[in-house]
Amino acid sequence: GENVEQHPSTLSVQEGDSAVIKCTYSDSASNYFPWYKQELGKGPQLIIDIRSNVGEKKDQRIAVTLNKTAKHFSLHITETQPEDSAVYFCAASENTDKLIFGTGTRLQVFP
Amino acid sequence: GAGVSQSPSNKVTEKGKDVELRCDPISGHTALYWYRQRLGQGLEFLIYFQGNSAPDKSGLPSDRFSAERTGESVSTLTIQRTQQEDSAVYLCAIQLIPGGNTIYFGEGSWLTVV
Repeated sequence: GENVEQHPSTLSVQEGDSAVIKCTYSDSASNYFPWYKQELGKGPQLIIDIRSNVGEKKDQRIAVTLNKTAKHFSLHITETQPEDSAVYFCAASENTDKLIFGTGTRLQVFP
Repeated sequence: GAGVSQSPSNKVTEKGKDVELRCDPISGHTALYWYRQRLGQGLEFLIYFQGNSAPDKSGLPSDRFSAERTGESVSTLTIQRTQQEDSAVYLCAIQLIPGGNTIYFGEGSWLTVV
């Protein structure tokens, strides 16, 4: 089955700096890679996703890159703001199969 | 959020008691999931329902855990003879688009076993 590893587990950045979170997956058949943001006491919220036919996707300050050969994908947040502070989860799945999540990254943005 | 209502939002129960957690999804969803999240941990897949197919129960940690879905709507997750290690947030999630992977989570049910 699929296994997703996520690094780092915690990340602290100064406001305005960039943050990068990386994930690797094991199942080469996986073709869908979403990222979720979870604020304290709330359920995870989808922030961006990418499919295997695309190498990069951007939405304002957030971008995701995918390297299918190396089986890794990354989340990039530019110009970080204090409200970006949260736990971020990557995930992978094949077609309509269940999502397998990484272990999460706690991002802290200091003003 | 996104058409998934969970109840109770918080539950404290004594070790050994049974608990039922409920998920009320928006109508028209195509698949329903349960995940478990222990304090400070990641999201652990429990069970997955899609259409009339047999549910994927591969993530259920023991036979004390079971889940049902009524038709294509309400789902209940039952934990029998609760143990302290069952303390966690139990998250329900749904897919809205046939063939689409995006899942949307509810706010979760916080279970504390004392």
